[in-house]
Amino acid sequence: EVQLVESGGAVVQPGGSLRLSCAASGFTFDDCSMNWVRQPPGKGLEWVSLISWEGGSTYYADSVKGRFTISRDNSKNSLYLEMNSLTIEDTALYYCAKSQGSSWSGFDIWGQGTMVIVSS
Amino acid sequence: IVLTQSPGILSLSPGERATLSCRASQSISSRNLGWYQQKPGQAPRFLIYAASSRATGIPDRFSGSGSGTDFTLTITRLEPEDFAVYYCQQYGSSPWTFGQGTKVEIK
Repeated sequence: EVQLVESGGAVVQPGGSLRLSCAASGFTFDDCSMNWVRQPPGKGLEWVSLISWEGGSTYYADSVKGRFTISRDNSKNSLYLEMNSLTIEDTALYYCAKSQGSSWSGFDIWGQGTMVIVSS
Repeated sequence: IVLTQSPGILSLSPGERATLSCRASQSISSRNLGWYQQKPGQAPRFLIYAASSRATGIPDRFSGSGSGTDFTLTITRLEPEDFAVYYCQQYGSSPWTFGQGTKVEIK
């Protein structure tokens, strides 16, 4: 079964840090670009970051550039998002999503998400 | 690239036809436009890629069309399970962007 399972969400204070993880199974992980997409409570989808299949290319939304770092470990079929200098605006459900093909393709597989709450 | 979806809310009855619009702030290749469905408490589901190709397992009552700056998702006969929020997405240039969503609700 093709599956993505996120973990690492928590309640964190403003200015704090957090590391999200996404475990992939059921497909050839190191063939695929991977993404993080977030959704604040009651709001729409916001793409956060993408990493290419080998990790050589990374892209970020302006809202997180310089604060978040995406990475992957193909030997562990895992994707990560290191989040620093968190603000209240980062409160959201964070989804891990697989690119259908190349980096320039839609997201065909999604996890169920992990919740990040930034609050004092 | 900003994607603007309309209407914000579409109130229809089961069996009716739904037509959802997605307008881009600049022209995009049709191969870089997709659609997603999201139900409450669930992750988004990939429906359409390259503007008009159905993703794996998507029923043929869902269809996409369009080019340039104007794209459309059509659901020919609404089933009870189709009432949800729908998002368009462009993935041809960074940052990848989503529209704000159209909610299809039961009238």
